[in-house]
Amino acid sequence: GNSVTQMEGPVTLSEEAFLTINCTYTATGYPSLFWYVQYPGEGLQLLLKATKADDKGSNKGFEATYRKETTSFHLEKGSVQVSDSAVYFCALMGRGADGLTFGKGTHLIIQP
Amino acid sequence: DVKVTQSSRYLVKRTGEKVFLECVQDMDHENMFWYRQDPGLGLRLIYFSYDVKMKEKGDIPEGYSVSREKKERFSLILESASTNQTSMYLCASSITALGQDNQPQHFGDGTRLSIL
Repeated sequence: GNSVTQMEGPVTLSEEAFLTINCTYTATGYPSLFWYVQYPGEGLQLLLKATKADDKGSNKGFEATYRKETTSFHLEKGSVQVSDSAVYFCALMGRGADGLTFGKGTHLIIQP
Repeated sequence: DVKVTQSSRYLVKRTGEKVFLECVQDMDHENMFWYRQDPGLGLRLIYFSYDVKMKEKGDIPEGYSVSREKKERFSLILESASTNQTSMYLCASSITALGQDNQPQHFGDGTRLSIL
């Protein structure tokens, strides 16, 4: 079956630091890949997505590239802000209308 | 913007009660989903539906059922609540775009359910 593995948190960084959150996946076929973010007390918001190999998703300064050869979809941001503090979830969806398979989430803490 | 509304943010019920969690979306999406979120486990899919009166089991359906009588509304039912069902429950919806890539799911703010 499908599975997603992402780095355990919490990840604590200083403001303006470079961010990488690793995500690897196992899936049959060619899944779509997503990053969702959850701010305290809120539901999940879609951050970015990629639907085929070598696609790069980007939003709000975050980027992730769909790497089929390494089955990875690492999230990066060049300069983080305190407002980026949240829980980040990597997820995949196989073909069709099935639900998402999520990683366990990475809690990101940005200190001023 | 897509709006997914869950009827309660916080809910406290007793063991053995029948519990209904309601979810409504306003974008005419075909697909709706229920997940539970637990610390250290991430989100796990309970049930989903891709059409009115249709339902499919997700990864952890035991102890739950669902109802989709209207396209915009998807209800999660705990037939006889137990303490191990204390969790955050998240509803989501998505559109089916024929011939296109998978469309993202849009989430509600969640219902934090406590079973005493």
